[in-house]
Amino acid sequence: EVQLLESGGGLVQPGGSLRLSCAASGFTFHSYAMSWVRQAPGKGLEWVSGIGGNGGSIDYADSVKGRFTISRDNSKNTLYLQMNSLRAEDTAVYYCAKDDGKTYFLDYWGQGTLVTVSS
Amino acid sequence: DIQMTQSPSSLSASVGDRVTITCRASQGIRSYLAWFQQKPGKAPKSLIYAASSLQSGVPSKFSGSGSGTDFTLTISSLQPEDFATYYCQQYNTYPLTFGQGTRLELK
Repeated sequence: EVQLLESGGGLVQPGGSLRLSCAASGFTFHSYAMSWVRQAPGKGLEWVSGIGGNGGSIDYADSVKGRFTISRDNSKNTLYLQMNSLRAEDTAVYYCAKDDGKTYFLDYWGQGTLVTVSS
Repeated sequence: DIQMTQSPSSLSASVGDRVTITCRASQGIRSYLAWFQQKPGKAPKSLIYAASSLQSGVPSKFSGSGSGTDFTLTISSLQPEDFATYYCQQYNTYPLTFGQGTRLELK
């Protein structure tokens, strides 16, 4: 059974940093690209960043480019999102999701972790 | 970036009804279109991929169609558990983009 478990969310002040983790199990982690998707309170879904199975092919939404860094450790089956220079508008639930191995279709999602940026 | 536009933004229906949600892409995305269902406080759940293929375990009451720029999601014989918010998403190219969502409410 595919499982994705996010952690690392919490309350952080504007300008601060946070690192999110996503522990994966139930599939061959290094064979799948992964993404982070976020959802601000009461709003829709916004793709944040994606990374290929071998750690290459990285891309970011313009809204986070230069501030967020996606990475993965295939030996630990874990995906990361380093978030720096956080702003109030980054407040959201952050989900990790895996692709289907053939396209960018996000077939399984974690339960999410809440990041709140506030003073 | 490819813009995804869903309509309607909200929809009221009754148990047993059949409803259709539409999604339009700002440029052609072939059939790289997915539909997700989200209930309050929960993660999105994939329903349909490749515009019309049913994700494993999803009941056949859900169906999708379309290609290029225009797509539809149809839900037949609505049940109480189907009242949720539905999102379309293109995965033809990065950045992946979502529609704004359609909130399906019980009339």
